[in-house]
Amino acid sequence: QVHLVESGGGVVQPGRSLRLSCVASGFTFSSFAMHWVRQAPGKGLEWVAVISYDGNIIYYADSVKGRFTISRDNSKNTLYLQMNSLGAEDTAVYYCARAIKTAPGRYYFDYWGQGNLVTVSS
Amino acid sequence: DIRLTQSPSSLSASVGDRVTVTCRASQGISNYLAWFQQKPGKAPKSLIYAASSLQSGVPSRFSGSGSGTDFTLTISSLQPEDFATYYCQQYYSYPITFGHGTRLDIK
Repeated sequence: QVHLVESGGGVVQPGRSLRLSCVASGFTFSSFAMHWVRQAPGKGLEWVAVISYDGNIIYYADSVKGRFTISRDNSKNTLYLQMNSLGAEDTAVYYCARAIKTAPGRYYFDYWGQGNLVTVSS
Repeated sequence: DIRLTQSPSSLSASVGDRVTVTCRASQGISNYLAWFQQKPGKAPKSLIYAASSLQSGVPSRFSGSGSGTDFTLTISSLQPEDFATYYCQQYYSYPITFGHGTRLDIK
């Protein structure tokens, strides 16, 4: 059974950093691309970043490019999101999601974690 | 970026009703469209991918159709557990984008 569990969220001051983790189980983590998606309170879903199964291909949303870094450790079945220079606009629930490849460069999300709240506030 | 416009933004319906939600893309995305259901305080749940393929375990009352720029999600006979917010998502190109959601309430 696929299981994704995020951790590392909490309250952080503006300008500070935070690292989120997503531990995967129930599938061969090293075979799947993974995404981060976030949802500000009361708002819709916003895609954040993707990393290929081997970590060689990475894309970011413009809103986080240069501040956030997605990475993975396949030996630990863990996905990461390093978030630097956080601002109030980054306050959101952050979800990790597994990606299924349907065509070259095209992946849909089949499983999501339960989410982890990050609050940026002084 | 590809914009996805969902309509309606909210909808009231009764158990047993047939409901349709539409999603229009700002440019052609072939069939690289997915639908998700989200209940308050919960993670999104995958319903449909490739515009019309049902995710494993999703009831057959859910169906999707469309290609290019116009897509629909249909629930053939609403059940109490279907009242939620529904999002479309394109994965044709990066950045991946979502529609703004359709909130489905009990009438």
